[in-house]
Order: sequence, then structure tokens, then C-alpha cells
Amino acid sequence: GAVVSQHPSRVICKSGTSVKIECRSLDFQATTMFWYRQFPKKSLMLMATSNEGSKATYEQGVEKDKFLINHASLTLSTLTVTSAHPEDSSFYICSARDLGVSTYNSPLHFGNGTRLTVT
Amino acid sequence: AQTVTQSQPEMSVQEAETVTLSCTYDTSESDYYLFWYKQPPSRQMILVIRQEAYKQQNATENRFSVNFQKAAKSFSLKISDSQLGDAAMYFCAYMTGTASKLTFGTGTRLQVTL
Repeated sequence: GAVVSQHPSRVICKSGTSVKIECRSLDFQATTMFWYRQFPKKSLMLMATSNEGSKATYEQGVEKDKFLINHASLTLSTLTVTSAHPEDSSFYICSARDLGVSTYNSPLHFGNGTRLTVT
Repeated sequence: AQTVTQSQPEMSVQEAETVTLSCTYDTSESDYYLFWYKQPPSRQMILVIRQEAYKQQNATENRFSVNFQKAAKSFSLKISDSQLGDAAMYFCAYMTGTASKLTFGTGTRLQVTL
């Protein structure tokens, strides 16, 4: 089945530094990927929609300059948390839809998530 | 804006018994999809079942079935013959027919007891 690989699974960084999270579709192409954030014991909140070859679409309240998204190829999207602060500590999950399968038949495939801890 | 509501933060069921998780949603769209996702402690999101709004027949996947009431905007999940491995967070989710982004409910934590 379709696999989405997310890396790293865990990362600890110091306040003020930047950290990059990668999301790869391993056996399918994805023009669109989605980035979610999940606080402990909370739901997944959509942060942005990553579009291959164009700018990402951010949800209301999400800082574009803080959460940089790049979707340079049909199989890779990256989320960079810039100048990280402790309040950015969270669980980040990406998802992707198979370009070769229509929306009606293809659910989103999720990565395993990245736990970010900012000290 | 679409909203998804799960009114049960926690539920408990005995092994081999049946449990129903509730979900309601609000939308003005006519073409949409509904999903139930399971998130075990590993945090991996696992698709349990999905329903197309245009289909009147309730979706079924082995021990999992839904009760889709379109007029009431209700989409409950029934788990039959509950197993210990069913213990997880369950999220109801909504997706419009023209977009792939999911709107999730707040989740229901399901405990399965012996």
C-alpha cells in the first residue's frame, strides 16, 4: 500500500534554532501534501496545504514566516520551524494523496509524525 | 466553515462487546466524505472506514460499521466484538468533494477492558 515516510520521528532543538521535517511519498506521487499539528491529547489541526511547484496555502492563524513549507518535487515536502520556541513543541504529522487515484477512491496517507521538543 | 464534533471524550467497552462512538458535523456542502481514523499510542493515523455522502448505504469493514444519517448530519462508528487492539483514539473526519484536506473532530479515547 501507499507509504508516507516522515523524518525525523523525534527531534530536540534549542530555542532560537530551526528544524526541518521531511515528508516523502515512497511509492506514489503527490502534488498536494498536508501538514497537521497535534497537541497532547488533542485533535489534529491543519496548518497548511503544500502544493508542488507553488506556494503553500496556510490556514488562518498559522504564521507563514515561522513555518516554512517547501514542496520541491512530487514526492517530497518539507516543513521548517524557524526560530523555534518552547511553545512550538508539538507533534507534527504530514499526509499526502496519491496523484494517480481520484479523491473518490483514495484516502489520505499519513506519515508517522514528528515529535518536536524545543528546550 | 465545516465543523466536526465528537461529544464523547472517553468511552470504555468490555472485550467482545459492542460500542458506538458518536460524531456530528456541520456543512452546507452536498458532496463530501466522512472518515473514522484510529490513532494508537504509536500516533500513526490508521483509516478505519469511510463513507461517501451520496451513498445511502452505510459503510462496513469487518467489525466496523457506521450509521450515517445525512439529514441529521450524524456519522457514528460501531465496533462489534471489541478487541484489546481496538484501544486507541478515534477521530471522525470530514472532507469536501473538491479538496483533500481533512477536518478532524476532537477525538474519543476508547478503552477496552477484559
